[in-house]
Amino acid sequence: DTGVSQNPRHKITKRGQNVTFRCDPISEHNRLYWYRQTLGQGPEFLTYFQNEAQLEKSRLLSDRFSAERPKGSFSTLEIQRTEQGDSAMYLCASSLGISGNEQYFGPGTRLTVT
Amino acid sequence: GESVGLHLPTLSVQEGDNSIINCAYSNSASDYFIWYKQESGKGPQFIIDIRSNMDKRQGQRVTVLLNKTVKHLSLQIAATQPGDSAVYFCAETLPLGSSASKIIFGSGTRLSIRP
Repeated sequence: DTGVSQNPRHKITKRGQNVTFRCDPISEHNRLYWYRQTLGQGPEFLTYFQNEAQLEKSRLLSDRFSAERPKGSFSTLEIQRTEQGDSAMYLCASSLGISGNEQYFGPGTRLTVT
Repeated sequence: GESVGLHLPTLSVQEGDNSIINCAYSNSASDYFIWYKQESGKGPQFIIDIRSNMDKRQGQRVTVLLNKTVKHLSLQIAATQPGDSAVYFCAETLPLGSSASKIIFGSGTRLSIRP
């Protein structure tokens, strides 16, 4: 399977703990995006990378959130001191800049903060 | 502001009938729209897109109509099948620079198929 992959698929954590999610984009896609989706809602944009550079961050991305893409391939999203309001599906998408805007989404990581 | 909304949260359709999912948008400057399908436990899957210089685009069993005058989009699915059961999102894009875009999703319509 050469699509976008995300790990873990599910994460349950206690409030106050730190969590880290990983996204592996489609090979050679230079653009990578993180979105958050709460139940019954559409995904909301969080941040975007072109290669290893983080070029855009949403106001939704508080100081407790940090994303990296150190080698321009996989990306990690870390949430520090998790809160119950962080419970959501975290989706990653990737696109190839040359071919246009189509973003391919991964299956997501479902986070539950208890 | 940035807003894409849907008229109906749920839609139930008889198998074999056509489905029509409607969507309203508020940003008159939007020039690119996308429909996504999201099945349970999966990420959104691109179905079809349309640019603002078009009013209709057809794919395999799907048609998207764009009415810029009333800022309305619709997705038509012909001969609906059980595999079409999912949540459908309309979306618009906003530029991020360097030709990249972020997707602004609506809240979704759940399509269920009656046998």
